[in-house]
Amino acid sequence: AQSVTQLGSHVSVSEGALVLLRCNYSSSVPPYLFWYVQYPNQGLQLLLKYTSAATLVKGINGFEAEFKKSETSFHLTKPSAHMSDAAEYFCAVIPRSFNKFYFGSGTKLNVKP
Amino acid sequence: NAGVTQTPKFQVLKTGQSMTLQCAQDMNHNSMYWYRQDPGMGLRLIYYSASEGTTDKGEVPNGYNVSRLNKREFSLRLESAAPSQTSVYFCASSEAAGWTDTQYFGPGTRLTVL
Repeated sequence: AQSVTQLGSHVSVSEGALVLLRCNYSSSVPPYLFWYVQYPNQGLQLLLKYTSAATLVKGINGFEAEFKKSETSFHLTKPSAHMSDAAEYFCAVIPRSFNKFYFGSGTKLNVKP
Repeated sequence: NAGVTQTPKFQVLKTGQSMTLQCAQDMNHNSMYWYRQDPGMGLRLIYYSASEGTTDKGEVPNGYNVSRLNKREFSLRLESAAPSQTSVYFCASSEAAGWTDTQYFGPGTRLTVL
């Protein structure tokens, strides 16, 4: 069965520091991969997605993620955190064999001044 | 352009009561979805509608029904609410039926069943 693992339910960084949010998937065939962000009391917003084009995907708000097949990972990064990045981030996959979203459990990012 | 709107924002029900969650989108999207979000579990798909006139079950459809009223509106009904249905419910839409198409989410409905 497909699964998505997000390491760390809470991550705290200082403003200006590197943001690294981890996502690993379990699948022998690389799925489609997504990162969504959820600000408090709002719905989810797509940050970026990987659909088998370039392995380094750039998204909105300065975020990017790199697909690494050998590590079955799709970690989200941003070089310099901003206070406005404080939110919950969800990794999601769609297996190529059938159409269904699987979401990770989420990582809450706290940005300290 | 409001995007995806959901009503109500908050609702408290007693066990056994029924209610309908409303969702509308003004982006002329073909596909619409209902998810529930529970702490520590991410989002789970309840039902989706790939196009007007069609609906399909998702991962957790039991206890729910849906209606794709027209291209704009997709409602979710709880016929007999149970405490296990306490959750935050999100509606989403996408332009096409392909699952890799970007989904746009509404602000959610927080439902508590006592």
